[in-house]
Amino acid sequence: GQNIDQPTEMTATEGAIVQINCTYQTSGFNGLFWYQQHAGEAPTFLSYNVLDGLEEKGRFSSFLSRSKGYSYLLLKELQMKDSASYLCAVRDRDNNAGNMLTFGGGTRLMVKP
Amino acid sequence: GAGVSQSPSNKVTEKGKDVELRCDPISGHTALYWYRQSLGQGLEFLIYFQGNSAPDKSGLPSDRFSAERTGGSVSTLTIQRTQQEDSAVYLCASSLGANGLAKETQYFGPGTRLLVL
Repeated sequence: GQNIDQPTEMTATEGAIVQINCTYQTSGFNGLFWYQQHAGEAPTFLSYNVLDGLEEKGRFSSFLSRSKGYSYLLLKELQMKDSASYLCAVRDRDNNAGNMLTFGGGTRLMVKP
Repeated sequence: GAGVSQSPSNKVTEKGKDVELRCDPISGHTALYWYRQSLGQGLEFLIYFQGNSAPDKSGLPSDRFSAERTGGSVSTLTIQRTQQEDSAVYLCASSLGANGLAKETQYFGPGTRLLVL
């Protein structure tokens, strides 16, 4: 099975940079996803990593180290609208044809003025 | 439709009653997932459908929970004899269903907020 850990809550200031960490344990790693979820809304896809390194998408970047079982989501130039929960999810090729995702508990980010 | 839709958006029921929650996946998506999310918590996997294969029911918390998917499209999650601890947001997601394709993304519906009194 999978074990996915991420901090429960973080607070940051508008305009700053914040890094949200995620550690995982899995038998057949086959990709890591980050989702954003605003309060009362559905999760929306942010990023995907399967190889080591950094993937950049505008203000958001995601990093993966498979040997360390570690990922982070980096948010730059924070805006108030970035206040949301950020969910880390791992795909395991040994888990039901490799389609299923296992989600962490999410990190609630509060951006303050 | 353009995205995953779910109905109803909100459901209030009395303890002991049965409820049915509906999910319409994105057209052409063969994989469909149900999750449960309690207030302030992460997503708890419930059940997974892939094409015509037998569903993976390993996440269903009790035999009061069941789901079906008719014609490979619409899915219904049924909770019998609801309990107060069933109160949560029930989220449905769909994906293309390409087995083992690592980058395959799940797209979520808006969820059904269930409150059991």
